[in-house]
Amino acid sequence: AQSVTQLDSQVPVFEEAPVELRCNYSSSVSVYLFWYVQYPNQGLQLLLKYLSGSTLVKGINGFEAEFNKSQTSFHLRKPSVHISDTAEYFCAVSGPNQAGTALIFGKGTTLSVSS
Amino acid sequence: GAVVSQHPSWVICKSGTSVKIECRSLDFQATTMFWYRQFPKQSLMLMATSNEGSKATYEQGVEKDKFLINHASLTLSTLTVTSAHPEDSSFYICSASSRTSSYNEQFFGPGTRLTVL
Repeated sequence: AQSVTQLDSQVPVFEEAPVELRCNYSSSVSVYLFWYVQYPNQGLQLLLKYLSGSTLVKGINGFEAEFNKSQTSFHLRKPSVHISDTAEYFCAVSGPNQAGTALIFGKGTTLSVSS
Repeated sequence: GAVVSQHPSWVICKSGTSVKIECRSLDFQATTMFWYRQFPKQSLMLMATSNEGSKATYEQGVEKDKFLINHASLTLSTLTVTSAHPEDSSFYICSASSRTSSYNEQFFGPGTRLTVL
């Protein structure tokens, strides 16, 4: 069985500061990893995904994440955040042969950016 | 990317009534659709998985007679909350995937806010 742990429930940060949102996963097989963002009262938007290949993945809105197999982590980073990045962020995992199955989500991290 | 819509975006109803929420894939054929429920400040809780033309598979603890799911076509799935009560008030989100996707890519709808008075 797979699981996802988001280590921080809330991350407050000042505008233009760097941020890292941590995600660890557990799986006995190779995985696909995803980061989604959810703005208030909206659905989920895909930020980036790791399928295979380069462990550094770049996504939308200046976000990137690094897949670390030995540490079973997929931390999300942004070098300089904006007020508009304030949102809920979800890490999710899926197995490579699990087409048609639901993603497994972490509990989410609330990123609060203040001026 | 692919687009998934939900209708309505919000609904208020009286206790005891039924509410139908639609989830549509606008530009692809969704062989599988998922229904999630989300409480404030919490993660998404999978309610059920539906494959086109088949009965939905419900997660443990989800009442299938209360949350009726129909996936009659490759572009439409519906969730009907029957005899709704205030505790059913929540944010309901659907997602859709296609068997032609090279990985388990899922596209999420914008969600439906249900408030039961």
